[in-house]
Amino acid sequence: KAGVTQTPRYLIKTRGQQVTLSCSPISGHRSVSWYQQTPGQGLQFLFEYFSETQRNKGNFPGRFSGRQFSNSRSEMNVSTLELGDSALYLCASSRQYRNTEAFFGQGTRLTVV
Amino acid sequence: EDKVVQSPLSLVVHEGDTVTLNCSYEVTNFRSLLWYKQEKKAPTFLFMLTSSGIEKKSGRLSSILDKKELFSILNITATQTGDSAVYLCAVLNNNAGNMLTFGGGTRLMVKP
Repeated sequence: KAGVTQTPRYLIKTRGQQVTLSCSPISGHRSVSWYQQTPGQGLQFLFEYFSETQRNKGNFPGRFSGRQFSNSRSEMNVSTLELGDSALYLCASSRQYRNTEAFFGQGTRLTVV
Repeated sequence: EDKVVQSPLSLVVHEGDTVTLNCSYEVTNFRSLLWYKQEKKAPTFLFMLTSSGIEKKSGRLSSILDKKELFSILNITATQTGDSAVYLCAVLNNNAGNMLTFGGGTRLMVKP
């Protein structure tokens, strides 16, 4: 059974650009959550999608957005990149909306120069 | 705002030692507590604890939750170098779907 797949694995962008990251959840899982991990702030929740709807949102600016498709795959977008957006972006997949374990992908390492 | 605090921040032990990692939490509407192991990138799921006093066990790892005192411990017996990693504790709030609030992690180094 395939795990959570995130693409690309690594990305280098310049300030002001925008970026789109992709996440394919485990087959049969319908919830996808996104997290940002930095050495200073640790793992912080960005947003969660379930049934193509954003259900929860963390404390991040509007430059961070996402969506979920009918096959549960999700994308997140960051516009007008800043140096501080450099981080490991992790996607987590859960079977349902409540009370289920979350399984993480390998992440996308984004570097903004 | 939900809060998770892990201790110690880091730990160095020798192979064969037993370690106990701590996680305390404050959650407005607690649902579950989860433990993860992170070596390079992807946090790997270890345990999900929902009920107080029931130990969950997987090989040399075990964990228990105390909902009265608002903490959990993760025990690793007979540690091996492969146990070296950051161990993360996170909580789920009943009001927030699958949103995980993470602690800062405990970095464990096991020396041969």
